Amino acid sequence: DGGITQSPKYLFRKEGQNVTLSCEQNLNHDAMYWYRQDPGQGLRLIYYSQIVNDFQKGDIAEGYSVSREKKESFPLTVTSAQKNPTAFYLCASSIDPGRDYNSPLHFGNGTRLTVT
Amino acid sequence: GEDVEQSLFLSVREGDSSVINCTYTDSSSTYLYWYKQEPGAGLQLLTYIFSNMDMKQDQRLTVLLNKKDKHLSLRIADTQTGDSAIYFCAESSDPGYSSASKIIFGSGTRLSIRP
Repeated sequence: DGGITQSPKYLFRKEGQNVTLSCEQNLNHDAMYWYRQDPGQGLRLIYYSQIVNDFQKGDIAEGYSVSREKKESFPLTVTSAQKNPTAFYLCASSIDPGRDYNSPLHFGNGTRLTVT
Repeated sequence: GEDVEQSLFLSVREGDSSVINCTYTDSSSTYLYWYKQEPGAGLQLLTYIFSNMDMKQDQRLTVLLNKKDKHLSLRIADTQTGDSAIYFCAESSDPGYSSASKIIFGSGTRLSIRP
């Protein structure tokens, strides 16, 4: 079955350490996204990528970095510069919105990161 | 900027209908979506409506769109305990190469079911 896999489901880190969250999709989607979810605040876009080797900052990119070396993979690194990294992180993908006006997002099951 | 608003909580009795409301500000919205999020999971697309439609029905789900008032609602008939979740409204404006970043989500409505 096609889908998006995020790993690990739970992640614990000490303050000051960088941590990388994995996101892999086998839907053959062009676009991939990272969102952060905090209670009562909905989803906020961190980074997105529409093609391999290209990515753009979203609304809250500070303290995060990404790479898109392969179509299937879009890892997110939470750096020590991110002031409040504890959150639920969601990865999503969609087909190329330039080719299809209706491009709903398909989500992974998320990674809950706790930094102490 | 564009905004999508929803009430945070809704409680209904099992077997009743649930109506979750959403308002948005972007008059160029093309598609409007409803997503469901169960505890500890990602968002699952429930249904969507194109902006030139007034209503869409899919089994127990009915979506109503009032484009003049920029109001979207999701009605769940015969609400069951398995419907307990957070429901997100989202809107997508006219597509373009940068439209990947133009899906705006509401804060989500937590639906709880009482016996």
